[in-house]
Formats: sequence, C-alpha cells, structure tokens
Amino acid sequence: GNSVTQMEGPVTLSEEAFLTINCTYTATGYPSLFWYVQYPGEGLQLLLKATKADDKGSNKGFEATYRKETTSFHLEKGSVQVSDSAVYFCALSDQGYGNKLVFGAGTILRVKS
Amino acid sequence: KAGVTQTPRYLIKTRGQQVTLSCSPISGHRSVSWYQQTPGQGLQFLFEYFSETQRNKGNFPGRFSGRQFSNSRSEMNVSTLELGDSALYLCASSLGTGNSNQPQHFGDGTRLSIL
Repeated sequence: GNSVTQMEGPVTLSEEAFLTINCTYTATGYPSLFWYVQYPGEGLQLLLKATKADDKGSNKGFEATYRKETTSFHLEKGSVQVSDSAVYFCALSDQGYGNKLVFGAGTILRVKS
Repeated sequence: KAGVTQTPRYLIKTRGQQVTLSCSPISGHRSVSWYQQTPGQGLQFLFEYFSETQRNKGNFPGRFSGRQFSNSRSEMNVSTLELGDSALYLCASSLGTGNSNQPQHFGDGTRLSIL
C-alpha cells in the first residue's frame, strides 16, 4: 500500500540555520504530495503542495520539489525562525482515492534563539 | 471565511460509553474527512464523506461510524469506547470535486480521553 517515511526527530536548530526534513514515499500511480504543519494545540495547516513530477511547492520561505526518480519530497528552508518550531508532516494523496491522505510520522522541529 | 469548526474541543468518557463528535466544514466544501491522531500510530484516515455518502473508508472497526448531512456538516460516532480510542480526532474539509490534489483544511480537533 501507499506509505510515507519521514526522518525522525526531533530536529533542533539555531535561529537562521538551514533546514532540511527528508520525506520519501511509496505509491502506485501519480500521487499529489503535501507538507502540513501542526502548532501546539492546533490542527494541521497546509504548508505547500506539488501535484506532478518536478513541481516545486513553496510558501513562507519553505520549499519542496517533487522528485519522482527518487520518490522524495524533502522540505527545506534557508533560514529558520523560532516561530517555525512545530511538527511537520509529509503526506500523499493518491489519485482515485478521493481525499484520503496518507501521512508520515511527523518531524518535531525546535528552533533556539 | 470561517474555517473548519469542530465541537467539542475536549471530551472525557469512560470505557463502554459512546460519543459523537461534530464537524462543520468551510462554506462551499462538500467533502469531509476524519482522522485519528495518536502518539503511537500517528495520523490515520478514518473515513471521508461527500454529498452525504461515504466515499472512502480506512481500516477501523465498525465501532467507528459517521454521517454527513445535507448542509455538509458531519458527525462521527464511536460506540463501546475503549482506552485505545483516546486520541485527537481531526476533521478536514475540501471542495471534494475533481482530482485528489485539492488541499484539505483541518479543524483544531476534538481531544477525546477515555478513563
């Protein structure tokens, strides 16, 4: 079945450091890929998405490129802030399965000032 | 535009009871999906409703059920509660039409604790 694997956390960075959170997937067909972020006590917010190979999603300084050849969708940000501290989830939605999202385990990011 | 609203935010129940959670989607959204979030299992898909019909279903026992009303509001019900049902239950809505690359918008969840 479809699955998403994320790097384990927590990831602890100093402010203005470079961020990479790895995400790889296994899926049949051509899934759409998403990054969601969850702040304490809240639900998930969509951070960015990509719907086909080589698409780059970007938002609030975060970027991720859909790499079909390596089945990856790594999240990057050039300079993190304390306010970026949260849990980040990689997810896929396979065509033909409506709105069912398959999530990775989540990666906790802690940014120190 | 109002977001996805879930009620109640917190619930405490005892084993064997049943519970009903409510979700009001974003206006105009016809698809509502439910997810269970636990520390051990992460985020798992429960089911999706579209135009009052269940369109997708995850791998949960029959104790978990749902429905959707004509105004797209949705409820999920869990009967004969078990300790393992303690979780954050998240509802997400989307337009629901077309292909699967539409983003889903999540509510803040209902925290269910079973004693």
